[in-house]
Amino acid sequence: DQQVKQNSPSLSVQEGRISILNCDYTNSMFDYFLWYKKYPAEGPTFLISISSIKDKNEDGRFTVFLNKSAKHLSLHIVPSQPGDSAVYFCAASKSGNQFYFGTGTSLTVIP
Amino acid sequence: KAGVTQTPRYLIKTRGQQVTLSCSPISGHRSVSWYQQTPGQGLQFLFEYFSETQRNKGNFPGRFSGRQFSNSRSEMNVSTLELGDSALYLCASSRGWDHEQFFGPGTRLTVL
Repeated sequence: DQQVKQNSPSLSVQEGRISILNCDYTNSMFDYFLWYKKYPAEGPTFLISISSIKDKNEDGRFTVFLNKSAKHLSLHIVPSQPGDSAVYFCAASKSGNQFYFGTGTSLTVIP
Repeated sequence: KAGVTQTPRYLIKTRGQQVTLSCSPISGHRSVSWYQQTPGQGLQFLFEYFSETQRNKGNFPGRFSGRQFSNSRSEMNVSTLELGDSALYLCASSRGWDHEQFFGPGTRLTVL
């Protein structure tokens, strides 16, 4: 039972444009959401997070939007850079340390 | 501050064998979580240990077990290996009361 879903396995974007990665979840009890970035042969690294009491969180080029009514979150990267090419995972947690991850979206930023 | 370390990085085993993977968390972190990553399945949560006690458990069979030592280092054991156990096994450490997890590089297990 996949409680967190990333329906786009891959995404290609031109350098300088916006990258939008999407994530849907099914459990309304999730209260914290995170995005991780993963390069090959490395573990995921934390990128940005958002609490369920907010609908937007911004950190430099990265912004996460949360739509609780739609059970949807998205990660915007503006402007996209070639170094952003990686696999992005969204994750959700409910009041604890157990995280549910999506299947990942592979982002390719074309120079 | 040293990051999360996992040993070994690569492992090849045959069906029916057992395997033990090790994870050393960041100094001061008391929580260690284990995940299995396979293509198309993302990261599947196995279990989480906090102060030597299993605090959370995912939906994996009893062949998957773990433990945590007093220095917060953790081991994960898989018995009676199956071909489907081939995966990247990741551990993540955290302080245990916030949401920020730091991942190790993973152990790539191949079962032949």
